[in-house]
Amino acid sequence: QQQVKQSPQSLIVQKGGISIINCAYENTAFDYFPWYQQFPGKGPALLIAIRPDVSEKKEGRFTISFNKSAKQFSLHIMDSQPGDSATYFCAAGDTGKLIFGQGTTLQVKP
Amino acid sequence: DGGITQSPKYLFRKEGQNVTLSCEQNLNHDAMYWYRQDPGQGLRLIYYSQIVNDFQKGDIAEGYSVSREKKESFPLTVTSAQKNPTAFYLCASRSEGSGRNEQFFGPGTRLTVL
Repeated sequence: QQQVKQSPQSLIVQKGGISIINCAYENTAFDYFPWYQQFPGKGPALLIAIRPDVSEKKEGRFTISFNKSAKQFSLHIMDSQPGDSATYFCAAGDTGKLIFGQGTTLQVKP
Repeated sequence: DGGITQSPKYLFRKEGQNVTLSCEQNLNHDAMYWYRQDPGQGLRLIYYSQIVNDFQKGDIAEGYSVSREKKESFPLTVTSAQKNPTAFYLCASRSEGSGRNEQFFGPGTRLTVL
């Protein structure tokens, strides 16, 4: 019950399009759901995070949608840009530990 | 400039040798973590420490050891018992007292076993 499943594994989007990455978790005790962005050869950086008491959180072009009953959450990147090309990881956890998804490699074509 | 530093950036090791990866943070964070990253497998937790002189095993601790003698330092030793040590290793830290769960990551060390 500790897995976080992320899909798709890879995603190609045209510039200006919407990128959508999905994650599903199993442990209902999880109360923190972040998304990290990682460029090649670098460490991941926090992009946006949500707690289960809200269903959506938006920061600029990035939005998290959260469905507590389905135990799913997703990242939406609006107006995707070539500079968004990176690997994205979802994670879920509680105080102290995070379980990461397998990652999604996003390529935004100009 | 606050942050997490990892050294070296690249490390090469012969089979059968132990090697230690450095992780230092000046964020005054209480908790520190070591993750291993392999292609297509996300980040897997090796060890974590929430306070000085205490640490816990993560999901893949076999073949690794850590110490936490100082708040700012959390070195990871990859021992010869680790069957497949070639990977990208990431250190992270988190503030216990702020109520935030955000983990801040270092730039990583790429270890290659020759």
